[in-house]
Amino acid sequence: GEDVEQSLFLSVREGDSSVINCTYTDSSSTYLYWYKQEPGAGLQLLTYIFSNMDMKQDQRLTVLLNKKDKHLSLRIADTQTGDSAIYFCAELSGNTPLVFGKGTRLSVIA
Amino acid sequence: DVKVTQSSRYLVKRTGEKVFLECVQDMDHENMFWYRQDPGLGLRLIYFSYDVKMKEKGDIPEGYSVSREKKERFSLILESASTNQTSMYLCASSLRGMGNNQPQHFGDGTRLSIL
Repeated sequence: GEDVEQSLFLSVREGDSSVINCTYTDSSSTYLYWYKQEPGAGLQLLTYIFSNMDMKQDQRLTVLLNKKDKHLSLRIADTQTGDSAIYFCAELSGNTPLVFGKGTRLSVIA
Repeated sequence: DVKVTQSSRYLVKRTGEKVFLECVQDMDHENMFWYRQDPGLGLRLIYFSYDVKMKEKGDIPEGYSVSREKKERFSLILESASTNQTSMYLCASSLRGMGNNQPQHFGDGTRLSIL
């Protein structure tokens, strides 16, 4: 079945780049998403990439997609304390619910 | 902007009570979803609905039911609340369509405690 894997924790220093990685199994995925969840809140859509793209940049965020290896990453440049949150990757295949990873908790050290 | 509104941010109920969690979206989305989120387990899909009066079981439907009488509203019902249903509950909605960009938009969540 479909599965999305992420590492559970990442710790970086303020000002450094963060890279959050995700692997997925469904080769028919059409869109891949990154969500951010701040403490006590719901999930906020950060960015997405269509499966025929290999890179998308949006201000401090860069999404890289390696479709051959089914590997997705989110790079946050100049990481700030306000970036501390849980980050979820998710894949869409057809008209089915998104399949989510378990989330990566990013801690930013001042 | 899409707005998904969950009726309560925090709720405390007693074991055995019937509990209703309400969710409303304002973007005419066909799809609506209920998840629960627990530490270390990520998001787990309870039920979802593709249209009015339609419902589909997710990964953990036991102990829950849902109601979708109107397109904009999706209710989650705990028939007889138990302590293991203490959790954060998240509602989401999305457009329907094959091959289209269909991100799910989430509410702020309801933190439910069953005593």
